[in-house]
Amino acid sequence: AQSVAQPEDQVNVAEGNPLTVKCTYSVSGNPYLFWYVQYPNRGLQFLLKYITGDNLVKGSYGFEAEFNKSQTSFHLKKPSALVSDSALYFCAVRLYGNKLVFGAGTILRVKS
Amino acid sequence: DGGITQSPKYLFRKEGQNVTLSCEQNLNHDAMYWYRQDPGQGLRLIYYSQIVNDFQKGDIAEGYSVSREKKESFPLTVTSAQKNPTAFYLCASSITGGAGRETQYFGPGTRLLVL
Repeated sequence: AQSVAQPEDQVNVAEGNPLTVKCTYSVSGNPYLFWYVQYPNRGLQFLLKYITGDNLVKGSYGFEAEFNKSQTSFHLKKPSALVSDSALYFCAVRLYGNKLVFGAGTILRVKS
Repeated sequence: DGGITQSPKYLFRKEGQNVTLSCEQNLNHDAMYWYRQDPGQGLRLIYYSQIVNDFQKGDIAEGYSVSREKKESFPLTVTSAQKNPTAFYLCASSITGGAGRETQYFGPGTRLLVL
């Protein structure tokens, strides 16, 4: 079955430190992968996507993600975390017909 | 949240009642989607529509119905057959056409609570 896994329910990081939010996928063929962020009681905001090309994808708010085909991973990264980055992060993979399958989400807490 | 609006922000449903959630977009997107979000489960697809007057069931369509009479609008009705409707409902839209351009953009959501 095609799926996405976010192995960590929560990630804690100190402000100014680098952050990584993990995502692994299981899908046949070449995956289209997405990261979204959600603040409390709000909709999802698109951060970035991987379609093809460079394995390092740059997105909004200083976030980037690295696509690793051999490890079937698409981890979200940021060199220096901000308290305002604290939110719920979702990884998703596109299926046929533009359907998206989402991971369960990872809460990121950045402490000052 | 861009050009997608959802109303109301909060909705209360009495037992046995049907309620309708509104979703409107001014992005000229062909495709629209409804998701349900429950704590710890991510988002699950209820229905989606890639063109006016056509829609398909998602993974959890039972107890829900939709219509797509206009390109801009994709209302979701939560029927009395949906026994556990308490959740956060998110509407999204995207272009169609392939080559990875179909990024979905989301509205601000409607929280449905049962009285």
